[in-house]
Amino acid sequence: QTVVTQEPSLTVSPGGTVTLTCASTTGAVTIDYFPNWFQQKPGQAPRALIYSTSNKHSWTPARFSGSLLGGKAALTLSGVQPEDEAEYYCLLYYGGGQPNWVFGGGTKLTVL
Amino acid sequence: QLQLQESGPGLVKPSETLSLTCTVSGGSIGTSNDYWGWIRQPPGKGLEWIGCIYFTGNTYYNPSLKSRVTISVDTSKNQFSLRLTSVTAADTAIYYCARQPLDYWGQGTLVTVSS
Repeated sequence: QTVVTQEPSLTVSPGGTVTLTCASTTGAVTIDYFPNWFQQKPGQAPRALIYSTSNKHSWTPARFSGSLLGGKAALTLSGVQPEDEAEYYCLLYYGGGQPNWVFGGGTKLTVL
Repeated sequence: QLQLQESGPGLVKPSETLSLTCTVSGGSIGTSNDYWGWIRQPPGKGLEWIGCIYFTGNTYYNPSLKSRVTISVDTSKNQFSLRLTSVTAADTAIYYCARQPLDYWGQGTLVTVSS
């Protein structure tokens, strides 16, 4: 059973910088896992932020960036805004004979 | 602007079959080079990818649900559908449809499994 792990919760001050990570029980996350990141606020559908490790959608604010860091996928928020308080999910692709996409458990980001 | 909208019963009895449809507007499933997928989220919990389908009918499913899931497509109606058999309370969730790679999502529909 593949498990994708994220920090359960993080707290950041307004204007600060925070990095969320996404790890796989199968080993180091690489570009071949096509990491995606999503933001979800209460009562709303998830909103896509980052695809294929570091690519931003047209609507993704510039303060969000994606990367690989120490064998994990990472989402960095620089200059955090109060409206960034939300749940963040990563998504990894597992190819092979039975392609599968697996979400991480989510990180609750508090801006305080 | 691509839009997706889920529809279907909000209440399903245990052991019965859950059926949902996703209607796509602002784009054509039949001429798109994308897959179209289903994701669910139990109340207060995280997201789970269910599966996806290409307009040709090619499908990929979450291995943990594969024995109970069928995703189909109707290009004439610009719709794709989800069937989940033998449901239990554990299948109670908000069900979302989305364009794979999950850039555009529907608003989601809550399906409760209860007698």
